[in-house]
Amino acid sequence: QKEVEQDPGPLSVPEGAIVSLNCTYSNSAFQYFMWYRQYSRKGPELLMYTYSSGNKEDGRFTAQVDKSSKYISLFIRDSQPSDSATYLCAITPPHEGGGNKLTFGTGTQLKVEL
Amino acid sequence: NAGVMQNPRHLVRRRGQEARLRCSPMKGHSHVYWYRQLPEEGLKFMVYLQKENIIDESGMPKERFSAEFPKEGPSILRIQQVVRGDSAAYFCASTLTSGSDEQFFGPGTRLTVL
Repeated sequence: QKEVEQDPGPLSVPEGAIVSLNCTYSNSAFQYFMWYRQYSRKGPELLMYTYSSGNKEDGRFTAQVDKSSKYISLFIRDSQPSDSATYLCAITPPHEGGGNKLTFGTGTQLKVEL
Repeated sequence: NAGVMQNPRHLVRRRGQEARLRCSPMKGHSHVYWYRQLPEEGLKFMVYLQKENIIDESGMPKERFSAEFPKEGPSILRIQQVVRGDSAAYFCASTLTSGSDEQFFGPGTRLTVL
C-alpha cells in the first residue's frame, strides 16, 4: 500500500465550478499536510499548509484534514482557467531533527475550461 | 531575491555517461532536498543535505547516485553510468532551517537518457 494515494485524474471542470481534490494516507504518524500546485514544466509551489484536523481557508482555496479517516482535501471555489495545473498533496512526519522530507501523492491533473 | 536555481534545465546523456545536476538554494538557505519525478509518478524524496553534510540519503539508489553540498557553491546530484530508467525530472528544494515547513522548489532539471 502506498503511503499516500491520490486520484491522478485528469479532472476537467467548467470555469466557476467548485473543485474537490483528495488524498488518503496510511500512516497515522504523519502530522503535517500540504498542497502544492505544479504548472507544466515548472517546479511545485506551496499552496496550503496545515497540521491539524479541520479546515483552513485562504482566498478561493480551502484545505481540509480528517485525521481520524486519514483523509485530506483541497477545495477550489470559483475555479479559473489559471487554476489548470497538477495538484500534489504532500505529508510529512513529526520533525525529528533530521529534516522534513515530503511524501507526495502522484498528483491530480486539473483543467478548468472556459 | 532570486529563488532556487537549477541548471541545466534540460540534459541529454547517452547510456553510460555521467550526469551532473546543480542546485543553488535561495539566498540564506543552507538546507537542500533532492526529489525525483518519474513519468506518471509523484515526486520521490532522494536526499537531504546541509552544508558539507549528508543528513538523510534514505531515498537514494544504492549505486551510481551521489550528492554533495559543499561549503561554497551549489549542491550537486551526480549520476554515474546513466541508464534509460534514470530519465526523469529532478527537483531540488531549499529551506532556511531543518525544521522549516515550507520547501521552495526550483524549476527542475529534465534528464533524458538516450
